[in-house]
Amino acid sequence: KAGVTQTPRYLIKTRGQQVTLSCSPISGHRSVSWYQQTPGQGLQFLFEYFSETQRNKGNFPGRFSGRQFSNSRSEMNVSTLELGDSALYLCASSSNSGSPEQFFGPGTRLTVL
Amino acid sequence: DAKTTQPPSMDCAEGRAANLPCNHSTISGNEYVYWYRQIHSQGPQYIIHGLKNNETNEMASLIITEDRKSSTLILPHATLRDTAVYYCIVRVATGAAGNKLTFGGGTRVLVKP
Repeated sequence: KAGVTQTPRYLIKTRGQQVTLSCSPISGHRSVSWYQQTPGQGLQFLFEYFSETQRNKGNFPGRFSGRQFSNSRSEMNVSTLELGDSALYLCASSSNSGSPEQFFGPGTRLTVL
Repeated sequence: DAKTTQPPSMDCAEGRAANLPCNHSTISGNEYVYWYRQIHSQGPQYIIHGLKNNETNEMASLIITEDRKSSTLILPHATLRDTAVYYCIVRVATGAAGNKLTFGGGTRVLVKP
């Protein structure tokens, strides 16, 4: 079974731009969660999507948004980028059949200049 | 989710057992203890989880005290590839409650030859 894939792996943007990151979960998994990792704040939960609906949301401004498609693939969007948005963005998929294990992708490294 | 406390770092000799402590004194009766690890430049990886009984799998053992206020993750024979940041997370079981994980600072484990 293929693992969680994230595209692109690396991205450089400038302040004020917007960015869209993509996550393809493991086949059959219906839950996708997104996390931001920075040296200062560590790993922080952004949001979770399950069956195209946002199920949980972390404490991030409205510039951060996401969606999930019918094939469970998910995208997250950050608008009006700030320098502080530079981070590793990770997504995790889960079957949600009671399995406690979440499978993380390799992440997208976003640099905002 | 209950808060966890872990030592920021620890060293371990290759081939020896690594015992990683975690304090979760405010854990509730329906909260599980999960362990994940993150090897440098990779996404976190699930290791093990438990409610009150000790658990063992091919990667590690989890020992939970009788009062459930603390636990220990044991890597029986640490290898250089076990060098990583280990996260202890306490939360209710996955499923309808969602899959949000709240990461703390973790323990940075360095396995030395």
